[in-house]
Amino acid sequence: SQKIEQNSEALNIQEGKTATLTCNYTNYSPAYLQWYRQDPGRGPVFLLLIRENEKEKRKERLKVTFDTTLKQSLFHITASQPADSATYLCAPGTRGGANNLFFGTGTRLTVIP
Amino acid sequence: DTGVSQNPRHKITKRGQNVTFRCDPISEHNRLYWYRQTLGQGPEFLTYFQNEAQLEKSRLLSDRFSAERPKGSFSTLEIQRTEQGDSAMYLCASSLTVLRDEQYFGPGTRLTVT
Repeated sequence: SQKIEQNSEALNIQEGKTATLTCNYTNYSPAYLQWYRQDPGRGPVFLLLIRENEKEKRKERLKVTFDTTLKQSLFHITASQPADSATYLCAPGTRGGANNLFFGTGTRLTVIP
Repeated sequence: DTGVSQNPRHKITKRGQNVTFRCDPISEHNRLYWYRQTLGQGPEFLTYFQNEAQLEKSRLLSDRFSAERPKGSFSTLEIQRTEQGDSAMYLCASSLTVLRDEQYFGPGTRLTVT
Protein backbone atom coordinates (compact mmCIF):
# COMPACT_ATOMS: atom_id res chain seq x y z
CA SER A 1 0.00 0.00 0.00
CA GLN A 2 1.04 3.60 -0.44
CA LYS A 3 3.21 4.93 2.33
CA ILE A 4 4.49 8.43 3.09
CA GLU A 5 7.15 8.95 5.74
CA GLN A 6 8.41 12.25 7.05
CA ASN A 7 11.84 12.12 8.59
CA SER A 8 11.08 12.77 12.17
CA GLU A 9 8.17 13.64 14.32
CA ALA A 10 9.96 16.71 15.72
CA LEU A 11 12.92 18.81 14.70
CA ASN A 12 14.54 21.53 16.81
CA ILE A 13 16.97 23.99 15.28
CA GLN A 14 18.63 27.24 16.24
CA GLU A 15 17.35 30.48 14.79
CA GLY A 16 19.23 31.47 11.66
CA LYS A 17 20.10 27.90 10.68
CA THR A 18 18.66 25.98 7.75
CA ALA A 19 15.95 23.45 8.54
CA THR A 20 15.76 20.41 6.29
CA LEU A 21 12.71 18.19 6.35
CA THR A 22 12.47 14.90 4.49
CA CYS A 23 9.53 13.20 2.85
CA ASN A 24 9.90 9.66 1.52
CA TYR A 25 7.22 7.72 -0.30
CA THR A 26 6.87 4.08 -1.34
CA ASN A 27 4.52 2.15 -3.62
CA TYR A 28 3.71 5.42 -5.27
CA SER A 29 4.43 7.41 -8.42
CA PRO A 30 3.19 10.92 -7.65
CA ALA A 31 2.82 13.39 -10.48
CA TYR A 32 3.55 16.22 -8.07
CA LEU A 33 4.19 16.89 -4.44
CA GLN A 34 2.97 19.68 -2.21
CA TRP A 35 4.19 21.01 1.11
CA TYR A 36 1.85 22.56 3.64
CA ARG A 37 2.31 24.29 6.97
CA GLN A 38 -0.09 23.66 9.81
CA ASP A 39 -0.32 25.59 13.06
CA PRO A 40 -2.08 24.09 16.10
CA GLY A 41 -5.87 24.14 15.77
CA ARG A 42 -5.78 25.44 12.21
CA GLY A 43 -6.12 23.99 8.74
CA PRO A 44 -3.03 23.39 6.58
CA VAL A 45 -1.74 26.28 4.50
CA PHE A 46 -0.25 25.65 1.06
CA LEU A 47 3.44 26.53 0.67
CA LEU A 48 4.92 25.00 -2.47
CA LEU A 49 4.11 22.56 -5.25
CA ILE A 50 6.72 20.74 -7.30
CA ARG A 51 5.96 18.57 -10.31
CA GLU A 52 7.62 15.29 -11.26
CA ASN A 53 9.55 16.91 -14.09
CA GLU A 54 10.99 19.61 -11.81
CA LYS A 55 14.06 19.10 -9.69
CA GLU A 56 13.84 22.16 -7.50
CA LYS A 57 11.42 24.95 -6.61
CA ARG A 58 12.05 28.08 -4.56
CA LYS A 59 9.90 30.65 -2.85
CA GLU A 60 11.56 33.29 -0.70
CA ARG A 61 13.36 31.36 2.08
CA LEU A 62 11.80 28.04 1.08
CA LYS A 63 13.26 25.46 -1.27
CA VAL A 64 11.85 22.10 -2.29
CA THR A 65 13.53 19.32 -4.22
CA PHE A 66 11.91 16.26 -5.77
CA ASP A 67 13.90 13.14 -6.63
CA THR A 68 11.68 10.56 -8.31
CA THR A 69 14.52 8.03 -8.38
CA LEU A 70 15.07 8.21 -4.64
CA LYS A 71 11.32 8.69 -4.10
CA GLN A 72 12.08 11.61 -1.87
CA SER A 73 11.40 15.28 -1.42
CA LEU A 74 13.45 17.64 0.72
CA PHE A 75 12.03 20.85 2.14
CA HIS A 76 14.45 23.55 3.27
CA ILE A 77 13.83 26.71 5.25
CA THR A 78 16.87 28.98 5.21
CA ALA A 79 17.61 31.63 7.83
CA SER A 80 14.95 30.06 10.04
CA GLN A 81 12.96 32.22 12.43
CA PRO A 82 10.88 31.37 15.52
CA ALA A 83 7.78 32.25 13.44
CA ASP A 84 8.62 29.26 11.23
CA SER A 85 7.78 26.94 14.12
CA ALA A 86 4.89 24.76 12.97
CA THR A 87 4.10 21.31 11.63
CA TYR A 88 5.04 20.78 8.01
CA LEU A 89 3.16 18.24 5.94
CA CYS A 90 4.17 16.72 2.64
CA ALA A 91 1.45 15.57 0.29
CA PRO A 92 2.19 13.66 -2.92
CA GLY A 93 -0.59 13.77 -5.47
CA THR A 94 -1.48 11.39 -8.28
CA ARG A 95 -2.56 11.87 -11.87
CA GLY A 96 -6.16 11.74 -12.94
CA GLY A 97 -9.36 11.59 -10.96
CA ALA A 98 -9.62 13.64 -7.85
CA ASN A 99 -6.89 15.94 -6.88
CA ASN A 100 -7.09 14.52 -3.39
CA LEU A 101 -3.89 14.52 -1.45
CA PHE A 102 -2.31 11.85 0.69
CA PHE A 103 -0.58 13.49 3.59
CA GLY A 104 2.36 12.37 5.64
CA THR A 105 2.12 12.57 9.41
CA GLY A 106 4.12 15.78 9.44
CA THR A 107 7.27 17.07 11.08
CA ARG A 108 6.90 19.49 13.98
CA LEU A 109 9.59 22.13 13.60
CA THR A 110 10.65 24.30 16.52
CA VAL A 111 13.03 27.17 15.86
CA ILE A 112 14.80 28.16 19.07
CA PRO A 113 15.66 31.86 19.47
CA ASP B 1 -12.89 37.06 4.61
CA THR B 2 -12.73 35.33 1.23
CA GLY B 3 -11.20 32.09 2.46
CA VAL B 4 -12.81 28.74 3.16
CA SER B 5 -15.13 28.83 6.15
CA GLN B 6 -16.47 25.98 8.24
CA ASN B 7 -19.23 25.84 10.81
CA PRO B 8 -19.43 25.05 13.59
CA ARG B 9 -15.82 25.27 14.74
CA HIS B 10 -16.46 22.92 17.63
CA LYS B 11 -19.11 20.28 18.20
CA ILE B 12 -19.59 18.06 21.22
CA THR B 13 -22.15 15.32 20.86
CA LYS B 14 -23.18 12.15 22.57
CA ARG B 15 -22.59 8.79 21.00
CA GLY B 16 -25.43 7.79 18.73
CA GLN B 17 -26.44 11.32 17.78
CA ASN B 18 -26.30 12.72 14.26
CA VAL B 19 -24.18 15.74 13.43
CA THR B 20 -23.89 17.95 10.36
CA PHE B 21 -21.05 20.25 9.40
CA ARG B 22 -21.03 22.97 6.78
CA CYS B 23 -18.26 24.17 4.49
CA ASP B 24 -18.32 27.31 2.36
CA PRO B 25 -15.49 27.18 -0.19
CA ILE B 26 -13.81 30.07 -1.96
CA SER B 27 -16.50 31.29 -4.33
CA GLU B 28 -14.86 30.61 -7.68
CA HIS B 29 -13.48 27.20 -6.68
CA ASN B 30 -15.30 24.28 -8.30
CA ARG B 31 -13.57 21.49 -6.39
CA LEU B 32 -14.34 20.76 -2.77
CA TYR B 33 -12.76 18.16 -0.50
CA TRP B 34 -13.42 16.78 2.94
CA TYR B 35 -10.62 15.41 5.10
CA ARG B 36 -10.44 14.06 8.63
CA GLN B 37 -7.47 14.60 10.91
CA THR B 38 -6.72 12.98 14.24
CA LEU B 39 -4.06 14.07 16.71
CA GLY B 40 -0.54 13.53 15.44
CA GLN B 41 -1.65 12.45 11.99
CA GLY B 42 -1.90 14.18 8.65
CA PRO B 43 -5.28 14.88 7.08
CA GLU B 44 -6.98 11.80 5.62
CA PHE B 45 -9.06 12.15 2.45
CA LEU B 46 -12.77 11.42 2.81
CA THR B 47 -14.55 12.63 -0.31
CA TYR B 48 -14.40 15.07 -3.21
CA PHE B 49 -16.85 17.11 -5.29
CA GLN B 50 -16.45 18.75 -8.64
CA ASN B 51 -19.24 21.30 -8.76
CA GLU B 52 -22.28 19.44 -7.40
CA ALA B 53 -21.10 15.96 -8.37
CA GLN B 54 -19.53 13.75 -5.73
CA LEU B 55 -16.84 12.05 -7.79
CA GLU B 56 -14.84 10.10 -5.26
CA LYS B 57 -15.22 8.65 -1.80
CA SER B 58 -12.55 7.05 0.31
CA ARG B 59 -12.99 3.36 0.96
CA LEU B 60 -12.46 4.27 4.58
CA LEU B 61 -15.64 6.33 4.58
CA SER B 62 -18.28 4.52 6.57
CA ASP B 63 -21.89 4.32 5.37
CA ARG B 64 -22.74 6.52 8.33
CA PHE B 65 -21.04 9.40 6.57
CA SER B 66 -22.75 11.32 3.79
CA ALA B 67 -21.80 14.52 2.02
CA GLU B 68 -23.67 16.82 -0.30
CA ARG B 69 -22.97 19.87 -2.39
CA PRO B 70 -26.42 20.59 -3.77
CA LYS B 71 -25.79 23.69 -5.85
CA GLY B 72 -22.10 23.37 -6.36
CA SER B 73 -21.39 25.98 -3.72
CA PHE B 74 -21.42 25.06 -0.01
CA SER B 75 -21.19 21.49 1.18
CA THR B 76 -22.45 19.57 4.19
CA LEU B 77 -20.99 16.51 5.83
CA GLU B 78 -23.33 14.45 8.00
CA ILE B 79 -22.33 11.72 10.39
CA GLN B 80 -25.14 9.49 11.58
CA ARG B 81 -25.10 7.47 14.81
CA THR B 82 -21.80 8.97 15.89
CA GLU B 83 -19.20 6.78 17.58
CA GLN B 84 -16.31 7.78 19.81
CA GLY B 85 -13.93 6.88 17.01
CA ASP B 86 -15.45 9.68 14.93
CA SER B 87 -13.85 12.25 17.23
CA ALA B 88 -11.47 14.22 15.02
CA MET B 89 -10.94 17.49 13.19
CA TYR B 90 -12.95 17.60 9.98
CA LEU B 91 -11.31 19.77 7.37
CA CYS B 92 -12.75 21.16 4.17
CA ALA B 93 -10.62 22.37 1.27
CA SER B 94 -11.34 23.87 -2.11
CA SER B 95 -9.43 24.36 -5.34
CA LEU B 96 -9.77 25.26 -9.00
CA THR B 97 -9.71 22.60 -11.67
CA VAL B 98 -6.31 23.59 -12.89
CA LEU B 99 -3.63 21.02 -13.34
CA ARG B 100 -2.75 19.86 -9.82
CA ASP B 101 -3.48 23.17 -8.19
CA GLU B 102 -3.03 23.79 -4.51
CA GLN B 103 -5.85 23.33 -2.06
CA TYR B 104 -7.09 25.98 0.35
CA PHE B 105 -8.18 24.63 3.69
CA GLY B 106 -10.73 25.92 6.14
CA PRO B 107 -10.11 26.13 9.90
CA GLY B 108 -11.83 22.81 10.50
CA THR B 109 -14.64 21.57 12.74
CA ARG B 110 -13.47 19.74 15.84
CA LEU B 111 -15.87 16.96 16.76
CA THR B 112 -15.85 15.35 20.18
CA VAL B 113 -18.10 12.34 20.71
CA THR B 114 -18.69 11.53 24.37
